[in-house]
Amino acid sequence: EVQLVESGGGLVQPGGSLRLSCAASGFTFSNYWMSWVRQAPGKGLEWVANIKQDGSERYFVDSVKGRFTISRDNARNSLFLQMDSLRAEDTAVYSCAREPREGYCRSTACFDYWGQGTLVTVSS
Amino acid sequence: QSVLTQPPSVSGAPGQRVTISCTGSSSNIGAGYDVHWYQHHPGTAPKLLISANTNRPSGVPGRFSGSRSGTSASLAITGLQAEDEADYYCQSYDSSLIVFVFGGGTKLTVL
Repeated sequence: EVQLVESGGGLVQPGGSLRLSCAASGFTFSNYWMSWVRQAPGKGLEWVANIKQDGSERYFVDSVKGRFTISRDNARNSLFLQMDSLRAEDTAVYSCAREPREGYCRSTACFDYWGQGTLVTVSS
Repeated sequence: QSVLTQPPSVSGAPGQRVTISCTGSSSNIGAGYDVHWYQHHPGTAPKLLISANTNRPSGVPGRFSGSRSGTSASLAITGLQAEDEADYYCQSYDSSLIVFVFGGGTKLTVL
């Protein structure tokens, strides 16, 4: 069974940092692109960042470029999101999601498995 | 303001049919990028409902179907059931913004 479990969320002051983790199991982690997606309170879903299987390509939404870093440890089946210079507008539930670049999602990537998310609150 | 536009809410009685629209532009759906749909019960992990416009992943009931035409896509749910009450999101890719984009979400209420 595919499982994605996020951790590391919490309350942080504006300008602070937080590192999120996502533990993957039930599939060959190193074979998949992985993404972080967030949902601010009362808002819709927003894609944040993704990373290629070997970490050689990483992409970010403009609002987090230069502040967030995505990384992975394939030996430990783990995905990370380092968030620096946090702002109030970064407050959201952050979920990791698997991107199958095959089958029906080969042409335009989709997210076939998601974690439940971890809440990040940026407030003084 | 989401790049993909969805109605904030739709509703229907048990057994009825509802549709949810997703309107994009020439840089996303109109450019030929596929549309995927997700079902999200708050507090749980979102679930992939329809992939590549029309395909149902294994385990998704046949009551759910998708379509795409021009710069828009639609999700149809027939034979509404109480457990269908959830938020629904469309997703695609935008070649101008160079990001994955989601619709603002549609809350389905089963009356």
